[in-house]
Amino acid sequence: SYEVTQALSVSVALGQTALMTCGGNNIESKNVHWYQQKPGQAPVLVIYRDSNRPSGIPERFSGSNSGNTATLSISRAQVGDEADYYCQVWDRSTSRVVFGGGTKLTVL
Amino acid sequence: QVQLQQWGAGLLKPSETLSLTCAVYGGSFSGYYWSWVRQPPGKGLEWIGEINHSGNTNYKPSLKSRVTMSLDRSKIQLSLKLSSVTAADTAVYYCARRSGVGEPFDRWGQGTPVTVSS
Repeated sequence: SYEVTQALSVSVALGQTALMTCGGNNIESKNVHWYQQKPGQAPVLVIYRDSNRPSGIPERFSGSNSGNTATLSISRAQVGDEADYYCQVWDRSTSRVVFGGGTKLTVL
Repeated sequence: QVQLQQWGAGLLKPSETLSLTCAVYGGSFSGYYWSWVRQPPGKGLEWIGEINHSGNTNYKPSLKSRVTMSLDRSKIQLSLKLSSVTAADTAVYYCARRSGVGEPFDRWGQGTPVTVSS
């Protein structure tokens, strides 16, 4: 079955750019979606289909997908961006939704 | 603005059946896929399965033997039943909506914490 891999944690200095990756075999062939989850809250979609932002999501959030790695970027990182971030794909071969293990973002 | 509101029993004993309901406010089932996702304490998101607007189901294989999802079209509610629960089923359970295969979850319920303990 298809698996996607995320780093457990990423730290970024206040105001700098945070990069979080989602690795998977030929992941560029899939639509990758990203969710932000703050403690005690439901996940919120921040990027869909690799690089699209839902309405209400700041332009500071962007995404890309190439080769075996999809990337979520948060520019000018703020303390309010601290959260867990999950990537998600649809595995067509098994008809399953697949989530990455999540990355905890810390803004220093 | 479509909202999902969920509820259900929060404390179960081993071997009992988990039963949760998710109501869809401001929308309908039409054209959507309705999933249940859970999150054990301190861990990541796990997809349990989904039911589409036609009532067709698709369950995660490792849970398939214990899971039942259904729609109540008159009330615009979906339900999840998970039988023979164990401590490993302790988690926050979410209902979520997506518009099609390969599409993202654009609406989530608020989550229902479920604890399995003797």
